[in-house]
Amino acid sequence: NAGVTQTPKFQVLKTGQSMTLQCAQDMNHEYMSWYRQDPGMGLRLIHYSVGAGITDQGEVPNGYNVSRSTTEDFPLRLLSAAPSQTSVYFCASSPRGQGDVFNQPQHFGDGTRLSIL
Amino acid sequence: AQSVTQPDIHITVSEGASLELRCNYSYGATPYLFWYVQSPGQGLQLLLKYFSGDTLVQGIKGFEAEFKRSQSSFNLRKPSVHWSDAAEYFCAVGLPGTYKYIFGTGTRLKVLA
Repeated sequence: NAGVTQTPKFQVLKTGQSMTLQCAQDMNHEYMSWYRQDPGMGLRLIHYSVGAGITDQGEVPNGYNVSRSTTEDFPLRLLSAAPSQTSVYFCASSPRGQGDVFNQPQHFGDGTRLSIL
Repeated sequence: AQSVTQPDIHITVSEGASLELRCNYSYGATPYLFWYVQSPGQGLQLLLKYFSGDTLVQGIKGFEAEFKRSQSSFNLRKPSVHWSDAAEYFCAVGLPGTYKYIFGTGTRLKVLA
């Protein structure tokens, strides 16, 4: 059971380049989310999805796009990378379950470390 | 605005000593409360969670946390720290009626042999 798989693990981009960070889970989880982790700021929610075809914005969505065409995959797109997007990105998933999604534990990937020059 | 505060950026304890990591939240009602641990280069692992009921919750790896409504706090404790507990710890809240989590800024724990 692979859990939550993020690719790539490391990436260096130049300002203005585009890129897609991949996230896949094999647990049939409905809820998936993307966070960025910056020193001294903890994790901040970028976008989330509660099922295929359903996405919504989190705390820091600007500069990022997402889509959810399948239950398994939740890619994060940077359309025009900026140095301020240098960060470690985490994807997480959980079952939606009954009632609030918070009743179910989130499973995190190992992260993608992204540097933008 | 909703927020989670972890006032201690770094904490150093000796192996075998007790540990308490502080967490305060700002929210109009009682949110869902969580503690996660992150080892270097890895993702986050859930230690424990509180939704309702008994205000003292037990988690994995010998950790426990106590919810105090009057103080809007959810502090993490461990009676005797092991060297392997060195990591970064995050407090988080889930906002009822939404699908959003808010994380604190983290506390990095160093354990002295």
